[in-house]
Amino acid sequence: DAGVTQSPTHLIKTRGQQVTLRCSPKSGHDTVSWYQQALGQGPQFIFQYYEEEERQRGNFPDRFSGHQFPNYSSELNVNALLLGDSALYLCASSRGVASGEIWYNEQFFGPGTRLTVL
Amino acid sequence: AQSVAQPEDQVNVAEGNPLTVKCTYSVSGNPYLFWYVQYPNRGLQFLLKYITGDNLVKGSYGFEAEFNKSQTSFHLKKPSALVSDSALYFCAVSPTKSTDKLIFGTGTRLQVFP
Repeated sequence: DAGVTQSPTHLIKTRGQQVTLRCSPKSGHDTVSWYQQALGQGPQFIFQYYEEEERQRGNFPDRFSGHQFPNYSSELNVNALLLGDSALYLCASSRGVASGEIWYNEQFFGPGTRLTVL
Repeated sequence: AQSVAQPEDQVNVAEGNPLTVKCTYSVSGNPYLFWYVQYPNRGLQFLLKYITGDNLVKGSYGFEAEFNKSQTSFHLKKPSALVSDSALYFCAVSPTKSTDKLIFGTGTRLQVFP
């Protein structure tokens, strides 16, 4: 099992450009979440995709958009890049897991894509 | 507002000594709680979780954490630190039962000295 994979590993863009990051979930997982981790900070939730629909969204502008494909892989798109978008972008995949009578989603994180905006 | 606090930016401990990394949370209801570790240029690795049941949970690499509802804390502990434990540790909480959205603390850097 390859786990959660992300591409590319590193990316350098200039202000105003657009970028697409990709994520392949762990085998058997149907839900993908994206997080932004700025330098020295904890990850911040961007949004989550399930059944090809955006299910939850964090406090991020519409410049951030995504997509989930029928094979559960996902893309994160960021338009009109700003210097402040420079960060490590983490993808997490999950599936429902039972703990006794409680169901919860156990999230597994990929290695991330480091985006630098110049 | 829902939040997670990790009051220490860095924790220093000598190898072989016990370690504690602190975490408190502010979330309504009965949240699910997690600890993750991040090594340089790597993603987050899951260490342990509290969903329900026993307040003391055991996780990977000898780590454990104690859920204290009255103090809204979920401190990470290890009886004997290793140099290889040196990394960045994140506490996270899910405010919903589905744990779909995680709220992370700002992280605590653990430095274990030989």
